[in-house]
Amino acid sequence: DIVLTQSPTTMAASPGEKVTLTCRASSSVSYMNWYQQKPGASPKLWIYGTSKLASGVPNRFSGSGSGTSYSLIISSMETEDIATYYCQQCCSTLTFGSGTKLEIK
Amino acid sequence: EVQLVESGGGLVKPGASLKLSCVASGFTFSDYWMSWVRQTPGKTMEWIGDIKYDGSYTNYAPSLKNRFTISRDNAKSTLYLQMSNVRSEDTATYYCTRVNTIAAIYWYFDFWGPGTMVTVSS
Repeated sequence: DIVLTQSPTTMAASPGEKVTLTCRASSSVSYMNWYQQKPGASPKLWIYGTSKLASGVPNRFSGSGSGTSYSLIISSMETEDIATYYCQQCCSTLTFGSGTKLEIK
Repeated sequence: EVQLVESGGGLVKPGASLKLSCVASGFTFSDYWMSWVRQTPGKTMEWIGDIKYDGSYTNYAPSLKNRFTISRDNAKSTLYLQMSNVRSEDTATYYCTRVNTIAAIYWYFDFWGPGTMVTVSS
């Protein structure tokens, strides 16, 4: 199975700060999906196909990457972005990363 | 509005069987692949498996395929997960998800239910 390693595990960012979350795959994957999960809620699709924003996702979010290295970027951190973000690769045996918990500083 | 509502979770003893259900609404259920994903109390996310829109094909995580079975009833817009010989490590929140496959290029979970909690303990 392809292992996804997310870094950092936890990070705190100030309002307005640029944030970069990283997901590294143990083998090359074709694209990456990202999900946002807030406490007590189910995950929500956030970014699919590496860089495509899901419906309703603010355009301060972006995604990039290829091969074994992918990123979710927030251009300017806002309080509502506090959540855990999971990356997910497909296919065959689909796997998730362990998540990055994003907090406000 | 797309809605997925799971049910059937609860406290079960090791070795028992349990069947989870997920009722879908707000979309044409028979047009979509569906999937089950679980999240442990430690927040680890694990894909369980998928089922094709007509129920003719299923795919499972290798570690679970001998104990878990996914099925669907398109007439009832309902997805099922049959769990057998459950173990303590099956304790998790189980999510029903809709699979979106755009032009067979991308595969992702575009809607998730609120989840149903399964606790395996004697």
